[in-house]
Amino acid sequence: DAGVIQSPRHEVTEMGQEVTLRCKPISGHNSLFWYRQTMMRGLELLIYFNNNVPIDDSGMPEDRFSAKMPNASFSTLKIQPSEPRDSAVYFCASSSQNLNTEAFFGQGTRLTVV
Amino acid sequence: KNQVEQSPQSLIILEGKNCTLQCNYTVSPFSNLRWYKQDTGRGPVSLTIMTFSENTKSNGRYTATLDADTKQSSLHITASQLSDSASYICVVSAGIYNQGGKLIFGQGTELSVKP
Repeated sequence: DAGVIQSPRHEVTEMGQEVTLRCKPISGHNSLFWYRQTMMRGLELLIYFNNNVPIDDSGMPEDRFSAKMPNASFSTLKIQPSEPRDSAVYFCASSSQNLNTEAFFGQGTRLTVV
Repeated sequence: KNQVEQSPQSLIILEGKNCTLQCNYTVSPFSNLRWYKQDTGRGPVSLTIMTFSENTKSNGRYTATLDADTKQSSLHITASQLSDSASYICVVSAGIYNQGGKLIFGQGTELSVKP
């Protein structure tokens, strides 16, 4: 398995534009997590899905952020409209439904909003 | 409130020396505790994962301990190597079985190993 695959690896966009980040979890994993990492705040959980259903989205900072998981093999995180303070590295992770298995992280998407 | 706190924030050691990183948590319901290593520009990679009943777990030169009573964990690195330079993140899983769990991250300890 290729692991968790995120795209794009880097994204530079202008303030106000829509940004869509993509994630393909490891096949067979039931849980998917979206995280944001900045120097100031470290890793923050934005939202997590279990069996394609959003379980906890309390970390989503604003209505500008939305996430979907239309099927078990694909998820998106959308920011509309984007702002400079959204600049961060966004990680997607997946794990099996058993709580005591590790979560595997993708390589992340480095987002820069200018 | 679910929280994970790590210390020290950063650490510099000489190659070959040992070091210990600390993690305190207040997370409920507790499911497991993990230590991750994150190299610059990469995603975190799991080192160890421990459940409530486990006190210690090793992965090569990395040894993690867990005291569920005091809600403390440590990560001991033996005979450090230059490649150990990274951020080490303590993560506690708070969740309900069959709902995947929620990972609570510490801020990390930035370890720098110097020759």
